[in-house]
Amino acid sequence: GAVVSQHPSWVICKSGTSVKIECRSLDFQATTMFWYRQFPKQSLMLMATSNEGSKATYEQGVEKDKFLINHASLTLSTLTVTSAHPEDSSFYICSTTYRNLRYEQYFGPGTRLTVT
Amino acid sequence: AQRVTQPEKLLSVFKGAPVELKCNYSYSGSPELFWYVQYSRQRLQLLLRHISRESIKGFTADLNKGETSFHLKKPFAQEEDSAMYYCALSGRSTGFQKLVFGTGTRLLVSP
Repeated sequence: GAVVSQHPSWVICKSGTSVKIECRSLDFQATTMFWYRQFPKQSLMLMATSNEGSKATYEQGVEKDKFLINHASLTLSTLTVTSAHPEDSSFYICSTTYRNLRYEQYFGPGTRLTVT
Repeated sequence: AQRVTQPEKLLSVFKGAPVELKCNYSYSGSPELFWYVQYSRQRLQLLLRHISRESIKGFTADLNKGETSFHLKKPFAQEEDSAMYYCALSGRSTGFQKLVFGTGTRLLVSP
């Protein structure tokens, strides 16, 4: 199956700083990637859909100026949490649909962000 | 509105016992339904999808459109089945790409 990686796996940053999370498709081209947020013991909440070469589509209630998404190539999407606050601490997960498997998403291992 | 409901946060059974994880959905139209599983310290992965009508690791799920349910079943639970299970749906309105997840059910299988 398709492999999706995320970097870093865990990051700690101070309030007010920005942090970038990378999501890569390792063995296929991903025109669409998804970014999720997962709070402890809660479900995944879709934040945005990242489309290669165009602007991301954000879900209702997600601040696009705070969560900057860039999908500059067919194998890389980045999520930048700007001016991070402690309430942004969460588990961020990306996924992509493998182009030949229309209905299946492959997930990255996730990135744990802790803002102090 | 699209919604997936998993009423049980935790399901605890003994090894060899039957398991049923409940999932109900709300969707205007014909959605695609999935079960995803997340084992401890591993990434989320697809377990099965209703269009495939397959059995994976002994698990099966039947889509009941009348009851809008997609319950996950296994006749004899194993300890290695302990994990977090998420029911999810996608629909034509989003090109079948976006997934809506339920809140998840943690299955704990004790020896």
